[in-house]
Amino acid sequence: DAGVTQSPTHLIKTRGQQVTLRCSPKSGHDTVSWYQQALGQGPQFIFQYYEEEERQRGNFPDRFSGHQFPNYSSELNVNALLLGDSALYLCASSRGPWGEAFFGQGTRLTVV
Amino acid sequence: KNEVEQSPQNLTAQEGEFITINCSYSVGISALHWLQQHPGGGIVSLFMLSSGKKKHGRLIATINIQEKHSSLHITASHPRDSAVYICAVSGGGGSQGNLIFGKGTKLSVKP
Repeated sequence: DAGVTQSPTHLIKTRGQQVTLRCSPKSGHDTVSWYQQALGQGPQFIFQYYEEEERQRGNFPDRFSGHQFPNYSSELNVNALLLGDSALYLCASSRGPWGEAFFGQGTRLTVV
Repeated sequence: KNEVEQSPQNLTAQEGEFITINCSYSVGISALHWLQQHPGGGIVSLFMLSSGKKKHGRLIATINIQEKHSSLHITASHPRDSAVYICAVSGGGGSQGNLIFGKGTKLSVKP
């Protein structure tokens, strides 16, 4: 079992560009949650996908959007990147929205 | 005030010492999670508990629902335990399954 895998591991983008991050959940998991972790801070909830729908959303602007595919994998898209979007983006999967969360290694996004 | 508060923020210990990290929360929860994060980012789930006590190797987690408090204990600490330990809660504040995180406790164990 590969666990939760995220790609890419590191990414550098320029202000104003768009980025797509990917997450494959642990085998048997159907729910994917995305978190943003700024340097020195705890992760902040972005949104959660279950049954291919955004089930819940945190306090993030509409520039942050996502998608879940029939195989339960998920993408996080960020448009019009700002310097402040530089962070570690973590994906967590679970069996159902209330299950124990298993995390990926994260994608380190740097916006210059 | 943050919904999840951890203490201490930083902790330095000598190898072999008994370590306690505390977590208090202010919302109703369905479960509390203790997580470990090493430099480089990846988070590992250590415990998920909703009552009582759980033990795994040298790690022990306890929770007191009435007092809204949890502790993570590490017995016979080792330099490889050096990491950031994060407390998170689920089911609170209308979160409906997503996690609300504390800011973490940075632990450094010296040989």
